[in-house]
Amino acid sequence: SQQGEEDPQALSIQEGENATMNCSYKTSINNLQWYRQNSGRGLVHLILIRSNEREKHSGRLRVTLDTSKKSSSLLITASRAADTASYFCATAAVYGNKLVFGAGTILRVKS
Amino acid sequence: ETGVTQSPTHLIKTRGQQVTLRCSSQSGHNTVSWYQQALGQGPQFIFQYYREEENGRGNFPPRFSGLQFPNYSSELNVNALELDDSALYLCASSLGPGQAFFGQGTRLTVV
Repeated sequence: SQQGEEDPQALSIQEGENATMNCSYKTSINNLQWYRQNSGRGLVHLILIRSNEREKHSGRLRVTLDTSKKSSSLLITASRAADTASYFCATAAVYGNKLVFGAGTILRVKS
Repeated sequence: ETGVTQSPTHLIKTRGQQVTLRCSSQSGHNTVSWYQQALGQGPQFIFQYYREEENGRGNFPPRFSGLQFPNYSSELNVNALELDDSALYLCASSLGPGQAFFGQGTRLTVV
């Protein structure tokens, strides 16, 4: 079973616009990570946010975490065609040793 | 490039056969995890190896087994292949619950 639920399932935007993806999870976590996947290939790590952090930035990426609502959001600013990919959130539990992934958001950036 | 190498990249097997997938972890990483990703879904945790011992297992039958070697490379073995085993198999190496580095995956097709 998958803990995370990404929302929306698919998103289509114009180049230059911002893209926001949301993730909800069910259990207490140690950290939450966002990954990108191009065309069914390997996962590329984007950003990790720890349970005691509320916001984190990396280049054009901004991630927020609300542990009281068990939710996170990923914002990609000034999107580019190369950002077209599937995006997954994954949670690492407080106890345990696996990442639990959501079903992903498919982002399409039109040029 | 994450430094995690998987082989082969693609594989076609017949139902009932056995398959071995291989993963070389990133230098210095003593933990290797395996995930199965069916088409259109997020990755599902199969199991994890830490210092050559199994360190957690997901909801997969015993015909999914693994090994980790002294150099921390790993194998995933699947016996009695079924059509539903067709998927992308991802290997990830890490140091504890932090960032996981994924390989490009092995695409297994069972016919």
